[in-house]
Amino acid sequence: ELKVEQNPLFLSMQEGKNYTIYCNYSTTSDRLYWYRQDPGKSLESLFVLLSNGAVKQEGRLMASLDTKARLSTLHITAAVHDLSATYFCAVALLTGANSKLTFGKGITLSVRP
Amino acid sequence: GAGVSQSPSNKVTEKGKDVELRCDPISGHTALYWYRQRLGQGLEFLIYFQGNSAPDKSGLPSDRFSAERTGESVSTLTIQRTQQEDSAVYLCASSTNTGELFFGEGSRLTVL
Repeated sequence: ELKVEQNPLFLSMQEGKNYTIYCNYSTTSDRLYWYRQDPGKSLESLFVLLSNGAVKQEGRLMASLDTKARLSTLHITAAVHDLSATYFCAVALLTGANSKLTFGKGITLSVRP
Repeated sequence: GAGVSQSPSNKVTEKGKDVELRCDPISGHTALYWYRQRLGQGLEFLIYFQGNSAPDKSGLPSDRFSAERTGESVSTLTIQRTQQEDSAVYLCASSTNTGELFFGEGSRLTVL
């Protein structure tokens, strides 16, 4: 059974500082996704990582995937309040176009002044 | 439509009643997924459809839960004889050929 673990589960960040959060998973997969969820809202797709060594950047967020280590990192540069949300990673159980995604429990980020 | 549409957005029901939740995926997306999210928790997989068939329904919690999809489009998730532990947000998503899921706003179910 595929297990997806995220840590830490909660992170208080100071504005302007850099942080890294982690997602690791238990079974071979080359498809990993990051989503953002604001309170009371649905999930918004952030990044799709489809191969070993994939790196994607959007604004202050950069995601990377190491399939050999079964690890993805989400790096936050110079945190700002707008980044406060819960971030989920999800891993595809089967390689292929359409397969079940298993989600981690999410990491709640809170940016303080 | 432009995005995944779910209805109702909110449903309050009494224990023991049946409920139906509807999902209208993005046009042309062949795969459709149902997830459940309890308050403050992560996403729990329920079922996914490829076309009108469901290759994986392993996440359905009990035989009170069922889902169908017709016309490779709309899907309905039915919960019979609802229990209080069924209270959650039920999220529907459809996907592209990259497997990236696009989520609807969810249907919040409260069972009294």
